[in-house]
Amino acid sequence: DAGVIQSPRHEVTEMGQEVTLRCKPISGHDYLFWYRQTMMRGLELLIYFNNNVPIDDSGMPEDRFSAKMPNASFSTLKIQPSEPRDSAVYFCASNGRASGYGYTFGSGTRLTVV
Amino acid sequence: DAKTTQPPSMDCAEGRAANLPCNHSTISGNEYVYWYRQIHSQGPQYIIHGLKNNETNEMASLIITEDRKSSTLILPHATLRDTAVYYCIVRAVFGNEKLTFGTGTRLTIIP
Repeated sequence: DAGVIQSPRHEVTEMGQEVTLRCKPISGHDYLFWYRQTMMRGLELLIYFNNNVPIDDSGMPEDRFSAKMPNASFSTLKIQPSEPRDSAVYFCASNGRASGYGYTFGSGTRLTVV
Repeated sequence: DAKTTQPPSMDCAEGRAANLPCNHSTISGNEYVYWYRQIHSQGPQYIIHGLKNNETNEMASLIITEDRKSSTLILPHATLRDTAVYYCIVRAVFGNEKLTFGTGTRLTIIP
């Protein structure tokens, strides 16, 4: 099992550009989560999906952020337009009932907006 | 979900047992206690969880007090690779899959 796979590992972009982060959850997991981590705010849950359906997006900071899960094996988090304050590490995690309720996190994408 | 309180930092000598406390005095009957850790620059890693009984796995032991208002994560023989931030989280089993992370305890293993 390759675990939760995120891409890219690092992204540097200019303010105003569109950024797309990608996540492949563990096969068979039916929950997918997007978190953001900064020094100031720690780990924050942005949105999570169950069976590809968004369940709670109350953590999405504003309309510039959007997330999709077109199928069980792929999700994207898009920021358009990006701003310097979006600089953070973005983590994807997945969880399935059969996994003993422990989330598995990916290695994260470090986003820098200049 | 109930709020947790953890010391911001702790040190432990290599080879000794590391005991990380967590207070969750407002925990309700349907909430589990979860522990995760985050090693520098990596994603959080699940360690263990429990409801009211003590639990043990290959990574750690979890001791939950009888009133469930506090718990202790025990790393029996700490190594330098156990240096990380440890998060104690309480979460209801059904109806809410969210994990809300606090600030955790930064554990430093001293050689």
